[in-house]
Amino acid sequence: QKEVEQDPGPLSVPEGAIVSLNCTYSNSAFQYFMWYRQYSRKGPELLMYTYSSGNKEDGRFTAQVDKSSKYISLFIRDSQPSDSATYLCAYLQGGSEKLVFGKGTKLTVNP
Amino acid sequence: GAVVSQHPSWVICKSGTSVKIECRSLDFQATTMFWYRQFPKQSLMLMATSNEGSKATYEQGVEKDKFLINHASLTLSTLTVTSAHPEDSSFYICSAPTSGAGLRNEQFFGPGTRLTVL
Repeated sequence: QKEVEQDPGPLSVPEGAIVSLNCTYSNSAFQYFMWYRQYSRKGPELLMYTYSSGNKEDGRFTAQVDKSSKYISLFIRDSQPSDSATYLCAYLQGGSEKLVFGKGTKLTVNP
Repeated sequence: GAVVSQHPSWVICKSGTSVKIECRSLDFQATTMFWYRQFPKQSLMLMATSNEGSKATYEQGVEKDKFLINHASLTLSTLTVTSAHPEDSSFYICSAPTSGAGLRNEQFFGPGTRLTVL
């Protein structure tokens, strides 16, 4: 079983839609959960991070973690064409600086 | 946020030649930097950890003699792809962690270097 599973998509939605992106993981040692956004031919940029189960909101973005199910989600409300990018989930073990990435989900928001 | 730069942003080279990629932390010091490789439609795969003042540590399956890493200073790490072959063509990205008020050791990524080996 892979450490991180993420559906690569692609996902195409109309502008204004609510987007749901998901990842599952198998390593119980993961303590930090992150979502990165990567535009084409650019390096990833950190969108959100959390280290506990529950929801964390930042503007139009909500990160959700369910440690019991080893499942994390990113919700984007009122999606915009500028949100079109690849979204990668990432994990960090406690005491480690090595990030483990999912494959990324390519999102296109159509105007 | 902190800024990490990479140079060059893209490079085309002939098979058998060596290519050097630079990664710089512009406004902070980084004793550790990470080098990733990303193939099309694939995730970022960690290749190695670059340590200032000591040898790099490589992930399993990454040839240390082929991918030479030198962490020359607290703001510069270089990756040299030696005797490059077409299968080395990929997007190479570096990152550097920094301690901040937010996420412990948040990593900032460079813009990446696209290598094409003919």
